[in-house]
Amino acid sequence: GQQLNQSPQSMFIQEGEDVSMNCTSSSIFNTWLWYKQDPGEGPVLLIALYKAGELTSNGRLTAQFGITRKDSFLNISASIPSDVGIYFCAGQEYGGSQGNLIFGKGTKLSVKP
Amino acid sequence: EAQVTQNPRYLITVTGKKLTVTCSQNMNHEYMSWYRQDPGLGLRQIYYSMNVEVTDKGDVPEGYKVSRKEKRNFPLILESPSPNQTSLYFCASRPRIFTGESYGYTFGSGTRLTVV
Repeated sequence: GQQLNQSPQSMFIQEGEDVSMNCTSSSIFNTWLWYKQDPGEGPVLLIALYKAGELTSNGRLTAQFGITRKDSFLNISASIPSDVGIYFCAGQEYGGSQGNLIFGKGTKLSVKP
Repeated sequence: EAQVTQNPRYLITVTGKKLTVTCSQNMNHEYMSWYRQDPGLGLRQIYYSMNVEVTDKGDVPEGYKVSRKEKRNFPLILESPSPNQTSLYFCASRPRIFTGESYGYTFGSGTRLTVV
């Protein structure tokens, strides 16, 4: 099935630094979502994007739905230790079933105090 | 509290012994789904359901069964578990109506299954 390419796989940063990660697909998506997973828990939705070109913020997080509808990025500004976790992009493929939400392989973020 | 509840949280079983992981949601959501999470592979969808008695295969359905007899429950059944089904499993749900941020799936806390 369709796969999402998420990069980087992992990041080790200093507290206070900005972070950027992205996700690309081989086909058009009509929705992009970004989730965060804390250790021992299920993923939690951070940001949802529904239109090409849309730029949405949630506190220190900013995400964009790419103009081509085949990519999305997530930025975290001024990282803090509680940002540690695995970040997943997910998307709904254009023309696909609405129940079929596809995930990337995740970006593991580590923050040094 | 709105939530997706799955049980058990941890399960160790032997090859071939049938097991069921239960999932229940209290948000009246139409859509429910099962994912498995493996290191380096992210989250892969096993099965999903768009309403009662309506189910469809995800990307990795082999070796699994599901049923949706009631709206709130969506159990995952492994008829004859094998070691390659050792994984972390998540149940998730979301409403059918596309309304803003409710589009994303809400996930349970996970079931860590080990098949020996």
